[in-house]
Amino acid sequence: EVQLVESGGGLVKPGGSLRLSCAASGFTFSSYSMNWVRQAPGKGLEWVSSISSSSSYIYYADSVKGRFTISRDNAKNSLYLQMNSLRAEDTAVYYCARGIVATIDYWGQGTLVTVSS
Amino acid sequence: QPVLTQSSSASASLGSSVKLTCTLSSGHSSYIIAWHQQQPGKAPRYLMKLEGSGSYNKGSGVPDRFSGSSSGADRYLTISNLQSEDEADYYCETWDSNTRVFGGGTKLTVL
Repeated sequence: EVQLVESGGGLVKPGGSLRLSCAASGFTFSSYSMNWVRQAPGKGLEWVSSISSSSSYIYYADSVKGRFTISRDNAKNSLYLQMNSLRAEDTAVYYCARGIVATIDYWGQGTLVTVSS
Repeated sequence: QPVLTQSSSASASLGSSVKLTCTLSSGHSSYIIAWHQQQPGKAPRYLMKLEGSGSYNKGSGVPDRFSGSSSGADRYLTISNLQSEDEADYYCETWDSNTRVFGGGTKLTVL
């Protein structure tokens, strides 16, 4: 069974940093691209970042480019999102999601990030 | 990059059928999309991948009541024999030019 378990969310002040993790199991992690998608309270889904299976290709939404860094450790079956210079508008539930050709096919349960003073 | 357009809301009666639409922007009518369901307070769940030909592949455990179809730039999700648990937000999604795109979502109410 595919499982994606996020952790690392919490309350952080504007300008602060946070590192999210996603532990993957039930599939060959190193064979799949991975994604971070977020959802602000009461809003729709917003793509944040994607990373290819070998980390050769990395992409970011314009809203987070230069502030967030996606990475992965295939030996540990783990995906990460380093978030710096956080803003109030980054407040959201952050989901880890597995990618197949063109689309996402599995989602984690999410971790809440709140940016507030 | 493509834009995915969805109606903000839809409603249908218990036991009936409903057809939700996701429309791809001009120049992107051949794109593959995915449909995702998000029940209240829960994480999204992948329902299916849907091609421009109308061929679709459902995710593990997705009931037979869910099906997909296509016509030109429109991608459809049809839910038959509506159940109360089908009341949820439904999002379409695609990928292009190094960007993942989501539609705004359709809130489905089961009456």
